[in-house]
Amino acid sequence: EVQLLESGGDLVQPGGSLRLSCAASGFTFSAHVMSWVRQAPGKGLEWVSTLADAYTHYADSVKGRFTISRENSKNTLYLQMSSLRAEDTAVYYCARGGGCTGGNCYWPDYWGQGTLVTVSS
Amino acid sequence: DIQMTQSPSTLSASVGDRVTITCRASQSISSWLAWYQQKPGKAPKVLIYKASTLQSGDPSRFSGSGSGTEFTLTISSLQPDDLATYYCQQYDSFPWTFGQGTKVEIK
Repeated sequence: EVQLLESGGDLVQPGGSLRLSCAASGFTFSAHVMSWVRQAPGKGLEWVSTLADAYTHYADSVKGRFTISRENSKNTLYLQMSSLRAEDTAVYYCARGGGCTGGNCYWPDYWGQGTLVTVSS
Repeated sequence: DIQMTQSPSTLSASVGDRVTITCRASQSISSWLAWYQQKPGKAPKVLIYKASTLQSGDPSRFSGSGSGTEFTLTISSLQPDDLATYYCQQYDSFPWTFGQGTKVEIK
C-alpha cells in the first residue's frame, strides 16, 4: 500500500525557515517523480514544486525561497522553506507523480495527509 | 500559465440527482486533466485522470469527459458520501494549475 507521511509543519515567524519531510513507503520511491502541493486555510489547491531526475520546477510564488530535494536511501522527500511569509501559511501535501515523458504526462496519484505550516508573529 | 476555470463554485442537489461540473482550460491541454475529491479535513483523492479514466476503486457513478479546453465531471446519481469539494487540475505543463473548486452540497 502506497503511503506518504508528511512531518515538520510548525508555527514559524515571518522571515524564518522550516524543513518539511515526506516519508514514503509501499512503492519504489527512487523510481518516481515527487511533488509538493499546498492549500491555504479555506482556499483551493496550489502546486508548489516537482522533482524529477532530469528537472526541478517551482511555482513563481516560492522560487528562490523553497528548495525541493530527496534522499532515496531514506525514501524521503524534503521541502526546505526559507524567508517565509504569512501567505505561505498552508497545509503542505506531498504527492507522488508528475511531469511528462515519452509523450505521456503523469498526475499526482497518491497524496499524503498533509502537514500544517503557520507563518505568524 | 494555463488558467483553469471551474463552474459552478457551489452546487446543491438531492440524493439521486445527476450532477455536472465543468472545467475550462485557457489553452489546449489535450487530455491531461485530473479530477480530485476532497472531503472536509481530508487530503485530495484522485477520481479521474487523463480526462476520462476512472481511478481504480472509485465508484462508477463518477465519470469524466472532454479534451482540449472543455472538460466535465459527472456524478450520475448523487449519494450522501459525495459531499465534498471537487477540483480539476491540468498536468499538461508546469506550473500545474487547479480550478478554484466546486463545493457539492446535499439538499
